[in-house]
Amino acid sequence: GQNIDQPTEMTATEGAIVQINCTYQTSGFNGLFWYQQHAGEAPTFLSYNVLDGLEEKGRFSSFLSRSKGYSYLLLKELQMKDSASYLCAVNPNNFNKFYFGSGTKLNVKP
Amino acid sequence: DAGVTQSPTHLIKTRGQQVTLRCSPKSGHDTVSWYQQALGQGPQFIFQYYEEEERQRGNFPDRFSGHQFPNYSSELNVNALLLGDSALYLCASSPSGGGSYNEQFFGPGTRLTVL
Repeated sequence: GQNIDQPTEMTATEGAIVQINCTYQTSGFNGLFWYQQHAGEAPTFLSYNVLDGLEEKGRFSSFLSRSKGYSYLLLKELQMKDSASYLCAVNPNNFNKFYFGSGTKLNVKP
Repeated sequence: DAGVTQSPTHLIKTRGQQVTLRCSPKSGHDTVSWYQQALGQGPQFIFQYYEEEERQRGNFPDRFSGHQFPNYSSELNVNALLLGDSALYLCASSPSGGGSYNEQFFGPGTRLTVL
């Protein structure tokens, strides 16, 4: 089966840095995606990793280690609007049949 | 570009009824996937349509069926509704073709409540 694990909830302070981890065990691997989802809204794309290493995109960075089945999303200079759920998703093949984790609810406090 | 659109936004049904949800993909996209997201959970893959055929399917019963039209829009049908079918139903579109980067764009979802 496919298994994607991430922490249920995290709390961080405005202006700080937070790291959200994701571990996965899937039948194949064709890329790992991070999505942001505000309550009641659609997930929006944040980042994509298919090769090992760090991908940086403004305040957001994502890291992948395929040998360890591990990724993290790093959010810098946290803002109140970053309060949302962060979803880790793995595409195990070429057909976009994504497997999602349950999401990490991030609470940013003043 | 309107992005992915879904209708209706909200829907209330009773157990045993049938429901049809609709999705129009992002311009230039020909592949449509449907996901079910229960409260507090991540989206779960239902099925995917490409070239008007179901190409991939997740672990959902036959009560869940779909269709894709020549203009790439899609419908999700659920028969014999159960209370457990209450969820946010998300449609996602992506372009076909090879390569490993196939980002999916999600629509705003349809919130289905079964009473």
